[in-house]
Amino acid sequence: EDQVTQSPEALRLQEGESSSLNCSYTVSGLRGLFWYRQDPGKGPEFLFTLYSAGEEKEKERLKATLTKKESFLHITAPKPEDSATYLCAVQVGTGANNLFFGTGTRLTVIP
Amino acid sequence: GAGVSQSPRYKVAKRGQDVALRCDPISGHVSLFWYQQALGQGPEFLTYFQNEAQLDKSGLPSDRFFAERPEGSVSTLKIQRTQQEDSAVYLCASSLGVAGNTGELFFGEGSRLTVL
Repeated sequence: EDQVTQSPEALRLQEGESSSLNCSYTVSGLRGLFWYRQDPGKGPEFLFTLYSAGEEKEKERLKATLTKKESFLHITAPKPEDSATYLCAVQVGTGANNLFFGTGTRLTVIP
Repeated sequence: GAGVSQSPRYKVAKRGQDVALRCDPISGHVSLFWYQQALGQGPEFLTYFQNEAQLDKSGLPSDRFFAERPEGSVSTLKIQRTQQEDSAVYLCASSLGVAGNTGELFFGEGSRLTVL
């Protein structure tokens, strides 16, 4: 059975304290892995797409990496405005119902 | 507007009432998705439209749920005889290409439904 697991469920960081969020997956036929950011009361906002093991993407203080079993979202020197829930999603197979989301990591950055 | 617009943002319904949730996708986007997000969970697929054609409705939880996109732009998700378990945030998302080719979706802010 395809599974996507994110850890930790919640993370509190001091401003400037770097850390990583994990997304592990057990799926057959991974086509892509996606990271989204979701602010309270808002819809998810696309951040990154990763397609193959070894691939890395960066945007400001965020860097996403992918292996054959998991993806990491590294946050370098976070700021309070980075506080949000970060969702990963795996795309498996073709068709419309092929994007499966994890439950997210709720990140709080304390000034 | 530039983004996906959903209305109403909040809806409170009494059990048994019918509700209609509207989604106005980004202009020109071929694909439109509806997702359901329970508290503390990730979004879960409900249904998919390519232009006006509903190509996948495998995620609709029961026949009380119905969606349409008659002219290939605005979409409505209707829930008949609402039950408490229908309480959730309903997210609409659109994308320029056809489904299956990308997981880069543009989401609206969602409609939060509370059934009393």
